[in-house]
Amino acid sequence: DAKTTQPTSMDCAEGRAANLPCNHSTISGNEYVYWYRQIHSQGPQYIIHGLKNNETNEMASLIITEDRKSSTLILPHATLRDTAVYYCIVRGTGGGNKLTFGTGTQLKVEL
Amino acid sequence: GAGVSQSPRYKVAKRGQDVALRCDPISGHVSLFWYQQALGQGPEFLTYFQNEAQLDKSGLPSDRFFAERPEGSVSTLKIQRTQQEDSAVYLCASSLLFRGGYTEAFFGQGTRLTVV
Repeated sequence: DAKTTQPTSMDCAEGRAANLPCNHSTISGNEYVYWYRQIHSQGPQYIIHGLKNNETNEMASLIITEDRKSSTLILPHATLRDTAVYYCIVRGTGGGNKLTFGTGTQLKVEL
Repeated sequence: GAGVSQSPRYKVAKRGQDVALRCDPISGHVSLFWYQQALGQGPEFLTYFQNEAQLDKSGLPSDRFFAERPEGSVSTLKIQRTQQEDSAVYLCASSLLFRGGYTEAFFGQGTRLTVV
């Protein structure tokens, strides 16, 4: 599975949009981009995933560049409860659904 | 229950002691995973079950680690002769059968193991 690069930490004001970047320059054609988050003392939680089109659900939006070498997770109106570590994961369709986490981005939402 | 349940939530073991960590997956979930998460790091894959069959154990760090899921439901991760480097949070996740697309994995809250 392709390796991802994320900033170690980011801050965001409550009510503003949080834009979390991820680089995955070695991604191949059949690999998806997934985002999970982990709130302190909890297990990871699925947020969203995509292949090449932008995706939106009730939690977030995922913007994937045309060359698919990077993506951005957008939390449109961040709240204090969105403070968490956000993991960008790239994987293919094989491997039994195993997830390979990196170190993620610690997002801190402040008043 | 509605989610993945792990017990105990916290475990303190003396070095050399054996421990057993339990995972109750979501009912009907065929796939079950164990991950190890060291402090400040992301979770790392340990092993994967499809029903009672252990299809991938490539992440188990040593032969002191053993996992089982005898009836295809509850799973136990056993660590023999614990060492300090085994101190970590052990996460269990379950999902429906993976069929080549994406299947959401649901995680438990984890068991925090501290070896003293």
